[in-house]
Amino acid sequence: AQKITQTQPGMFVQEKEAVTLDCTYDTSDPSYGLFWYKQPSSGEMIFLIYQGSYDQQNATEGRYSLNFQKARKSANLVISASQLGDSAMYFCAMSVNAGGTSYGKLTFGQGTILTVHP
Amino acid sequence: DVKVTQSSRYLVKRTGEKVFLECVQDMDHENMFWYRQDPGLGLRLIYFSYDVKMKEKGDIPEGYSVSREKKERFSLILESASTNQTSMYLCASSPRLAWRNEQFFGPGTRLTVL
Repeated sequence: AQKITQTQPGMFVQEKEAVTLDCTYDTSDPSYGLFWYKQPSSGEMIFLIYQGSYDQQNATEGRYSLNFQKARKSANLVISASQLGDSAMYFCAMSVNAGGTSYGKLTFGQGTILTVHP
Repeated sequence: DVKVTQSSRYLVKRTGEKVFLECVQDMDHENMFWYRQDPGLGLRLIYFSYDVKMKEKGDIPEGYSVSREKKERFSLILESASTNQTSMYLCASSPRLAWRNEQFFGPGTRLTVL
């Protein structure tokens, strides 16, 4: 079974500063993908970034980067130059290959609420 | 623009009622999913479908059933709604090689069972 743990229920950051949201995972499958989603107060889930277990380099998408440490089983999200619009709930999630039988089911963490102060 | 739509944003039902939540995607995706979201628990998978008429239980299927008669449509059914099914319900879809691809989510349905 897969497990995702987000240990920070809430985080605060000053506008224009960087913030790291923690995520640790557990799986015995060697083929897996790690995802981060943002959920604003309106409720929609917005995909931010993806890291594959075989990817050699850390994923980056604009101001978002994923600090992937495979040996430590961590996949922390780094947001640089925080903006007021970054205030939202952030979810870390994982999907495994499971020999092609998982169909991309996602296992989610509990989420971290990020508040950006002006 | 890719899209997943859900039939209602807000729904209020009575205990014991049969409830239908509808989800439609226009991306020709093979896989569709139903999650429920509760504070402190994140999102949990209720059911998913990898093809028309094919379905599999997720982590919390009790009290729910699903139907997928057409590729673009995936319905979640609460056979007899109970107050502990008050929650936010999110539908998602993804292409076949899904473990390497993001899921696309609908806007969610906030269901209240009185």
